[in-house]
Amino acid sequence: EPEVTQTPSHQVTQMGQEVILRCVPISNHLYFYWYRQILGQKVEFLVSFYNNEISEKSEIFDDQFSVERPDGSNFTLKIRSTKLEDSAMYFCASSERGLNTGELFFGEGSRLTVL
Amino acid sequence: SQKIEQNSEALNIQEGKTATLTCNYTNYSPAYLQWYRQDPGRGPVFLLLIRENEKEKRKERLKVTFDTTLKQSLFHITASQPADSATYLCALRGGATNKLIFGTGTLLAVQP
Repeated sequence: EPEVTQTPSHQVTQMGQEVILRCVPISNHLYFYWYRQILGQKVEFLVSFYNNEISEKSEIFDDQFSVERPDGSNFTLKIRSTKLEDSAMYFCASSERGLNTGELFFGEGSRLTVL
Repeated sequence: SQKIEQNSEALNIQEGKTATLTCNYTNYSPAYLQWYRQDPGRGPVFLLLIRENEKEKRKERLKVTFDTTLKQSLFHITASQPADSATYLCALRGGATNKLIFGTGTLLAVQP
């Protein structure tokens, strides 16, 4: 069964460092998303991406964050100059037809720990 | 302000009973509502979608209702099993947007 894959599963970094989280969405999906979940809190929307551009972003997704689809398969989230409060689980998701009709397929997440 | 609220307290039930979880929303007019399951340390997994013109949707032991007047969805698991123990999230699309917004989730614990 097709699945969304994310790497790394866990990354530990020092405050102020840059981090890149990688995702391979399901191959025929066209809509991509990043969510984050701080430990014990709810799943929060960060950004949606379609047709090689951001379609929507939350207030959390400030200039510290960026997304890219560098080739036909990968979808990345870059966090510049990480802060302690960026420690969270980051989930990538994809959907075939966007939110008009479909559910989201989530990866297993990348746990980011900022020290 | 816009809110999606689920019972923050864990729901503990005995195996074989029906679990009922509640999702209430405020200041949204969603065209549909979705339910997901999340196990500890893992990504959410889609379970069911119910549209605004549907009163009820079923899938195996799962049943979802959607009352747009009450602004509420109920999620039922019949003949519950310990393997059903997880956090259940409701989610809706916040208007004509490209984001799915999640509730806080309710932890279900099914005791053998």
